[in-house]
Amino acid sequence: DGGITQSPKYLFRKEGQNVTLSCEQNLNHDAMYWYRQDPGQGLRLIYYSQIVNDFQKGDIAEGYSVSREKKESFPLTVTSAQKNPTAFYLCASLSKIDRDTGELFFGEGSRLTVL
Amino acid sequence: AQSVTQLGSHVSVSEGALVLLRCNYSSSVPPYLFWYVQYPNQGLQLLLKYTSAATLVKGINGFEAEFKKSETSFHLTKPSAHMSDAAEYFCAVSRGTSYGKLTFGQGTILTVHP
Repeated sequence: DGGITQSPKYLFRKEGQNVTLSCEQNLNHDAMYWYRQDPGQGLRLIYYSQIVNDFQKGDIAEGYSVSREKKESFPLTVTSAQKNPTAFYLCASLSKIDRDTGELFFGEGSRLTVL
Repeated sequence: AQSVTQLGSHVSVSEGALVLLRCNYSSSVPPYLFWYVQYPNQGLQLLLKYTSAATLVKGINGFEAEFKKSETSFHLTKPSAHMSDAAEYFCAVSRGTSYGKLTFGQGTILTVHP
């Protein structure tokens, strides 16, 4: 079955360490997205990529970095510059068919806790 | 700029009662609107979407929503709540032709009492 796989599901890190969250999709979708979820704040866009080797900052990109070397993969690195990294991180993708409407398909999420 | 407001961060209903989750939006262009559901520690699943075809949109699990342009609303309803409906619900608006950049509301946690 096609879908988005995020790993790890739970991650604990010490303050000051960089962390990379994995996102892999086998839906053959061109566009991929990273959202951050905090209680009571909905989802906020971190980075997105419409094609391989290209990505753009979202609304809260500071302290994060991404790469898009393959169509299937869009890893997110949470750097030590991110002031409050503890959150639930969601990866999503978008098919060409849904390009105009913007309907996203989501992974199961990764919960990062910084101690 | 688009924005979404969900009225009520928590809604509690009895099993079998009507579910009404409120969503108001602002958009400078004709909007595409979505309702997603999230179960604890899981991703978001699409319930339904409005894409300018019919104003009354039917989704999965018996949910439906009505687009009212005059009220800039897209409220989610279900005639009879089930225990399995307990989850967090998000309303979202697409930023025009912005290729998948959605603006989300703050979320509404639905509790269903037996």
